Amino acid sequence: AQSVTQLGSHVSVSEGALVLLRCNYSSSVPPYLFWYVQYPNQGLQLLLKYTTGATLVKGINGFEAEFKKSETSFHLTKPSAHMSDAAEYFCAVSDKGGTYKYIFGTGTRLKVLA
Amino acid sequence: NAGVTQTPKFQVLKTGQSMTLQCAQDMNHNSMYWYRQDPGMGLRLIYYSASEGTTDKGEVPNGYNVSRLNKREFSLRLESAAPSQTSVYFCASSDRGPNEQFFGPGTRLTVL
Repeated sequence: AQSVTQLGSHVSVSEGALVLLRCNYSSSVPPYLFWYVQYPNQGLQLLLKYTTGATLVKGINGFEAEFKKSETSFHLTKPSAHMSDAAEYFCAVSDKGGTYKYIFGTGTRLKVLA
Repeated sequence: NAGVTQTPKFQVLKTGQSMTLQCAQDMNHNSMYWYRQDPGMGLRLIYYSASEGTTDKGEVPNGYNVSRLNKREFSLRLESAAPSQTSVYFCASSDRGPNEQFFGPGTRLTVL
């Protein structure tokens, strides 16, 4: 069965510092991979996704993620944190079996310090 | 376009009461999903509907039923609410394939 692990339920960075949120998946076949962001009291919004092709994926708001098959990872990065990036971030995998159901990680809450 | 809408936004129930959460999407998507979100557990899939007329269980279906009323609407019913069903419920929809899921604003449910 597939699973997703997000290391660090809470991450704090200073404004202007690098953001690195970690995501590892467990699957015998590389799945489709997604990062979503959730602002307080809102639904989830897609940041970026990897399905095929280039392993470095660029998303909205300056975020990017790199699919590394050998490390079964899909870490999310942003070179310079902004106060508006404070939110909860979820990594998700989707199977290739036809249903495309998501399995979500437990989330990482990002705090940006002034 | 409204995207994915959910009603109600908030609800308080007593143990044993029943209720239906409503979800509608106006993006002509084939697939619709119901999730629950609990602190420290991420989102867990309750039920999904890959297309109109079909529904399937997800990871945590016990205590819930669903109806795909038509292509637009997908409802979630709690027949006899329990305190363990206190959660935030999200509906989502997507096109077929490994595509983005679009989420509604959520329903915050408390069962006393």
